[in-house]
Amino acid sequence: QQQVKQSPQSLIVQKGGISIINCAYENTAFDYFPWYQQFPGKGPALLIAIRPDVSEKKEGRFTISFNKSAKQFSLHIMDSQPGDSATYFCAASRPGNQFYFGTGTSLTVIP
Amino acid sequence: EAGVAQSPRYKIIEKRQSVAFWCNPISGHATLYWYQQILGQGPKLLIQFQNNGVVDDSQLPKDRFSAERLKGVDSTLKIQPAKLEDSAVYLCASRLAGNYNEQFFGPGTRLTVL
Repeated sequence: QQQVKQSPQSLIVQKGGISIINCAYENTAFDYFPWYQQFPGKGPALLIAIRPDVSEKKEGRFTISFNKSAKQFSLHIMDSQPGDSATYFCAASRPGNQFYFGTGTSLTVIP
Repeated sequence: EAGVAQSPRYKIIEKRQSVAFWCNPISGHATLYWYQQILGQGPKLLIQFQNNGVVDDSQLPKDRFSAERLKGVDSTLKIQPAKLEDSAVYLCASRLAGNYNEQFFGPGTRLTVL
């Protein structure tokens, strides 16, 4: 059973546009929701993370929106750049337990 | 600060052969994870260590996979015998003990089973 569902599978955005990736979860015990960025041949790297006590967290061009009642969270990349082209994974976990990853979104930013 | 080191980076073996992967976590990181990432999918946890003890190995195919973390530092993951469906990238990650600390990933080992 997929603990975290991610969409879309792939995304093509023009330079300067907004990239939006969505994730949904079922387990209400999850209390930590990170997003990872992965470039080819590299391991995932933490981009930004949120806990459910806030509805939004912003770091530079990256924003997580969190809807606890809907059990959904999303990543917004503002002013998307070609260097943002990568695969993005959402994840969810609860203290002391494993991380459950989404299936990934391949983002391509066209110059 | 040195990152998580893994070796080898690539490995090609025949099915039914054995293979071992090595991971050196970031110094001081008590928690170590091994993940399997099949092409086009997210990482799936195989085993989680806290120091040299196993916290979670519920998704480790124990008939063929084994892992150890002697002295609570380096770790090895072994597959014996390998199957075609084991072809994947094996990622090691580490983090400081405690909740909500960042998980740092190594570059992974790409395994191809022929």
